[in-house]
Amino acid sequence: GAGVSQSPSNKVTEKGKDVELRCDPISGHTALYWYRQSLGQGLEFLIYFQGNSAPDKSGLPSDRFSAERTGGSVSTLTIQRTQQEDSAVYLCASSLASHSYEQYFGPGTRLTVT
Amino acid sequence: AQSVSQHNHHVILSEAASLELGCNYSYGGTVNLFWYVQYPGQHLQLLLKYFSGDPLVKGIKGFEAEFIKSKFSFNLRKPSVQWSDTAEYFCAVKNYGGATNKLIFGTGTLLAVQP
Repeated sequence: GAGVSQSPSNKVTEKGKDVELRCDPISGHTALYWYRQSLGQGLEFLIYFQGNSAPDKSGLPSDRFSAERTGGSVSTLTIQRTQQEDSAVYLCASSLASHSYEQYFGPGTRLTVT
Repeated sequence: AQSVSQHNHHVILSEAASLELGCNYSYGGTVNLFWYVQYPGQHLQLLLKYFSGDPLVKGIKGFEAEFIKSKFSFNLRKPSVQWSDTAEYFCAVKNYGGATNKLIFGTGTLLAVQP
């Protein structure tokens, strides 16, 4: 079946602009995650949605970052007033539920802030 | 705070050589452990996982990993690598039953297999 999809695949933006990144999880997956992969670093957790529960936002690096998940499916990660240090690959993952299920990753959105 | 250490950042091997990539984590509770692989130009894929039971787990493409609880380790092994194993490998840990389901990743090991 279809995997996790993300759009756009690449985004170049000017410093100070806002960007929106989209994630379509695998159909039926109730859990959705955003991670960030920066050059020379591993993957860093950003935010986690599980069903209708309040999201775990503990990984968001600043209040310029926010995310929402509409209808328990599609999610949008928004970065306001982008900075050069926001340049990274933003990965979305989904899983069937929470604790006992593996996460399936999308191809990522490569964000470049100039 | 939880952390995952992958001590080998860049490994170069010849085909047919044996591989062992180290992974250590810093959490004393029950954990789920994963190895993900990212082939050039592709997205992250699960290589293998440990949830419970036999600490020696086998994954795809001939990879295996051993969970040694006393050493907080989950090293990845393959007896004979192929050129197609060239990729970046990430170890990840998740608290079992924790309030969140996030994965804590290591910084990755870039493996280059020379033909």
